[in-house]
Amino acid sequence: SSELTQDPAVSVALGQTVRITCQGDSLRNYYASWYQQKPGQAPVLVTYGKNNRPSGIPDRFSGSSSRDTASLTITETQAEDEAVYYCHSRDSGGFVLFGGGTKLTVL
Amino acid sequence: QVQLVQSGADVKKPGASVKISCKASGYTFTSYTLHWVRQAPGQSLEWMGWINAGLGNTKYPQQSQDRVVISRDISAATAYMEVTSLTSEDTAVYYCARSPQHGDYWLDTWGQGTLVIVSS
Repeated sequence: SSELTQDPAVSVALGQTVRITCQGDSLRNYYASWYQQKPGQAPVLVTYGKNNRPSGIPDRFSGSSSRDTASLTITETQAEDEAVYYCHSRDSGGFVLFGGGTKLTVL
Repeated sequence: QVQLVQSGADVKKPGASVKISCKASGYTFTSYTLHWVRQAPGQSLEWMGWINAGLGNTKYPQQSQDRVVISRDISAATAYMEVTSLTSEDTAVYYCARSPQHGDYWLDTWGQGTLVIVSS
């Protein structure tokens, strides 16, 4: 199906590691990219491709993929990482897909 | 630096149309694809379509095909999205974003967003 499914909410203790997942058939053929969005701001790309980060994104953010599931892992989570995270990909027809977003709460 | 600057907020009445612009700078305009994404209040991101800025071809999801037109002006390095027959459900922040033209379409640069309010 042409959908990307994310858990609506995840929480993590300050300084710990959290994994946010995204599932969809298109991920068998295309990598997911991940975006961080804070209230009132535009989304920001945090990982893309096999495991790439744009300049300025801390190396505690990493991406991975296995079969139909992509993951965003944040190690040593900081308070400033609290945000909504969206996965994104495409299908073979060039149509673009977004996951529903995962709200990350840092405890 | 690479930048996308969008037109300002707009208020429209139901049934009207809105045209939003997205001016690119800091890179070769025709070497990338520009996408439009919207976000209704409290909702997730919704892809509205894209235009290959070099070739000019477009792609729309089914829900956009009847009411959305994306275009570009190469000389102005600007992309546009027009949405017609507006309803209150079109009230949202609209973003443009840049992606590679081939392979995975990661969106590495986003505009600041344009708030469109549809209200009578």
